[in-house]
Amino acid sequence: GQSLEQPSEVTAVEGAIVQINCTYQTSGFYGLSWYQQHDGGAPTFLSYNALDGLEETGRFSSFLSRSDSYGYLLLQELQMKDSASYFCAVNSASGGSYIPTFGRGTSLIVHP
Amino acid sequence: NAGVTQTPKFRVLKTGQSMTLLCAQDMNHEYMYWYRQDPGMGLRLIHYSVGEGTTAKGEVPDGYNVSRLKKQNFLLGLESAAPSQTSVYFCASMKGHQETQYFGPGTRLLVL
Repeated sequence: GQSLEQPSEVTAVEGAIVQINCTYQTSGFYGLSWYQQHDGGAPTFLSYNALDGLEETGRFSSFLSRSDSYGYLLLQELQMKDSASYFCAVNSASGGSYIPTFGRGTSLIVHP
Repeated sequence: NAGVTQTPKFRVLKTGQSMTLLCAQDMNHEYMYWYRQDPGMGLRLIHYSVGEGTTAKGEVPDGYNVSRLKKQNFLLGLESAAPSQTSVYFCASMKGHQETQYFGPGTRLLVL
């Protein structure tokens, strides 16, 4: 089966840089996605990596190492509104279907 | 475009009652998913569909049934609700081989 590990909570101060790690075990790996979820809201897509390396989207970057089954989400110039839960999700291909498996989420708390 | 919509937004059931949650998407996406989210558990896949008329079981399918009679709609049914099914239910859709899932706003279900 699939499994993902990510820290349950990370705290940081406004303006800082924070990295949220995600390690995974899966078969049929297709890509690693990151989602943000504010309290009471729906998850929203942040970033996706199918190949090794760094993907940058504004203040957010995501990294993947397929050989290490490891990825991370990097948030720069933290703002109070970045306080939310962040989920990594492995997309796996099985029999022509694309099955996502989510980690348990990392709660990011940004302090002033 | 409305994106992904879910009805109802909130519901209270008594043990043993039945109900159907409706998910609708107007993006012509092939893939649709039903998740449940419980505190500390992340998003767990209940059932999914890779196209009109097809459904498959996810990680936690027991006690739920689904139907995808039309491409734009994905229904989740609870035949006999149990307190363990108290949760927040999210529907999501994805276009084929792309990596982004679009989530609905969620349905909060309380089973007494």
